[in-house]
Amino acid sequence: DAGVTQSPTHLIKTRGQQVTLRCSPKSGHDTVSWYQQALGQGPQFIFQYYEEEERQRGNFPDRFSGHQFPNYSSELNVNALLLGDSALYLCASSSRDSHQPQHFGDGTRLSIL
Amino acid sequence: GQQVMQIPQYQHVQEGEDFTTYCNSSTTLSNIQWYKQRPGGHPVFLIQLVKSGEVKKQKRLTFQFGEAKKNSSLHITATQTTDVGTYFCAPRGSYIPTFGRGTSLIVHP
Repeated sequence: DAGVTQSPTHLIKTRGQQVTLRCSPKSGHDTVSWYQQALGQGPQFIFQYYEEEERQRGNFPDRFSGHQFPNYSSELNVNALLLGDSALYLCASSSRDSHQPQHFGDGTRLSIL
Repeated sequence: GQQVMQIPQYQHVQEGEDFTTYCNSSTTLSNIQWYKQRPGGHPVFLIQLVKSGEVKKQKRLTFQFGEAKKNSSLHITATQTTDVGTYFCAPRGSYIPTFGRGTSLIVHP
């Protein structure tokens, strides 16, 4: 039973570029949340997808967008990359029941030069 | 989202000493989850607390939820080097998931 898988594991981009990160949820999960974790900080909630729609959103600009596919997998897109976007991007899946724990993937380490 | 404050930010202990991290909120929490993140790893779910005054144990780890459901704590008895990592509390429920800044535990052998 595969857990949450994310790709790629590492990525290097330059300022102004665009990036797409991918996530496959744990089997049986239908809800995907994305987090940004800067060095030494806790994960910061970006948004959550359920039934292919963005259900909740954290305090992130519109440069951050996402998508969920019918198979529950998800993508995180970031446009016009800034140096401050360098971070570990974590995907977490769960069931719709908000009381259930989230299962995290290993993350994508994004570095902006 | 519900904001939580975790203290301390860092804790150095000698192997065998006890460790406690505290999670405080200004608002009443419906429930709270605890996660552990090893260096270079991702957060891993440890436990969820729901009831006022709830206490749960996992081997050397003891989790408590305050009577007013505004604070929580994690206590580790006789730390081991395998306990190294950052421990996060995270309120869960209908609100935007929020993680505290975490407490980084460093265990010296």
